[in-house]
Amino acid sequence: ETGVTQTPRHLVMGMTNKKSLKCEQHLGHNAMYWYKQSAKKPLELMFVYNFKEQTENNSVPSRFSPECPNSSHLFLHLHTLQPEDSALYLCASSLYSGGRWNEQFFGPGTRLTVL
Amino acid sequence: DQQVKQNSPSLSVQEGRISILNCDYTNSMFDYFLWYKKYPAEGPTFLISISSIKDKNEDGRFTVFLNKSAKHLSLHIVPSQPGDSAVYFCAEGAEAGGTSYGKLTFGQGTILTVHP
Repeated sequence: ETGVTQTPRHLVMGMTNKKSLKCEQHLGHNAMYWYKQSAKKPLELMFVYNFKEQTENNSVPSRFSPECPNSSHLFLHLHTLQPEDSALYLCASSLYSGGRWNEQFFGPGTRLTVL
Repeated sequence: DQQVKQNSPSLSVQEGRISILNCDYTNSMFDYFLWYKKYPAEGPTFLISISSIKDKNEDGRFTVFLNKSAKHLSLHIVPSQPGDSAVYFCAEGAEAGGTSYGKLTFGQGTILTVHP
């Protein structure tokens, strides 16, 4: 049990579909992150939410739309994706305390396939 | 240009021997270094970290070494076990507050295989 859950674990969608990925953390953390992992590439940071406020958008196309309604939940809304968007999407959370950032805890990821 | 590089895509080691995983970085602003382990179909799991004010940190079988002058980080696993077989990622970030928001930059990973 990592304390960070993601649903669904697998998702297959067409290019015209709209879907959402969900992430929930049960660790009392105050920052949440979306990462993309494509084959043979490093984890790429997509978005950062700090205390529910989006503080980073790492040049991500607008077909990916994040939402953070509270510090425990994070969504990634998907719309009109391309086949090259097929990847593992990972959510993570971390805690800022005592003037420093602590390590990030990851969820199991959602394996997305765009047809 | 990749800021964090793991130049060995894979490493094969015999059970009981030492595994040494390496990582090089270019950004001297990093002050916090981490290693993660990832099994297939799971998210990365935090293993061990080191602050830039140290050159070594140990946790059981895992030791991380930091050489700031060479901008080099390594993870030693002794003794290696078959259950250690996984992908290992190094990551760097800024530990202190400010605008970093705990962002991490990851290497591309090294696949470690420990043979019985």
